[in-house]
Amino acid sequence: TQLLEQSPQFLSIQEGENLTVYCNSSSVFSSLQWYRQEPGEGPVLLVTVVTGGEVKKLKRLTFQFGDARKDSSLHITAAQTGDTGLYLCAGERNDYKLSFGAGTTVTVRA
Amino acid sequence: DAGVTQSPTHLIKTRGQQVTLRCSPISGHKSVSWYQQVLGQGPQFIFQYYEKEERGRGNFPDRFSARQFPNYSSELNVNALLLGDSALYLCASSRVAGGYTDTQYFGPGTRLTVL
Repeated sequence: TQLLEQSPQFLSIQEGENLTVYCNSSSVFSSLQWYRQEPGEGPVLLVTVVTGGEVKKLKRLTFQFGDARKDSSLHITAAQTGDTGLYLCAGERNDYKLSFGAGTTVTVRA
Repeated sequence: DAGVTQSPTHLIKTRGQQVTLRCSPISGHKSVSWYQQVLGQGPQFIFQYYEKEERGRGNFPDRFSARQFPNYSSELNVNALLLGDSALYLCASSRVAGGYTDTQYFGPGTRLTVL
């Protein structure tokens, strides 16, 4: 059973459209991280959010940490084909272990 | 600098066999963590080692074991392989043992297939 639930599981959009991926849990996390994983590779860290209510922007990507530090969202504006990949959220609790969600597979069509 | 390296890239074993996977961390990193990623799921934490000592263990049976060497490289051993052990095994290294300020860098993984 995954501690973090991600939705949707799959997302297919046209280039130029916007998308949002959600990561939810009933647990409180000291930090939450978002990774992107491409086929045949390990996950690559995109961002870490630490403070409840925190919003971080990375070019066209916007990450938000919920006020209660139990949930997070990733929003991509004007998606490009290079944004295609598996997006994973991972929460860290006091034991420093990362608990990953099952991931959202994003496909951006040209 | 080289990233995290893992060997072998792919491996095919039969049920009941034993397997050893290897990981070399980024130079200067003293902590190595192992994760299992089954197809369609996110990585599941198996072990963390720091300075050659086990710092954390996930919910995996005793068939899974690991160790870290003086040069900080690490091995993951799995005995009595089951079909359900088929997965991508990821190694991640970090400078120290944890905390959100200490980024984990993942290797490309070893794809294990158990027949």
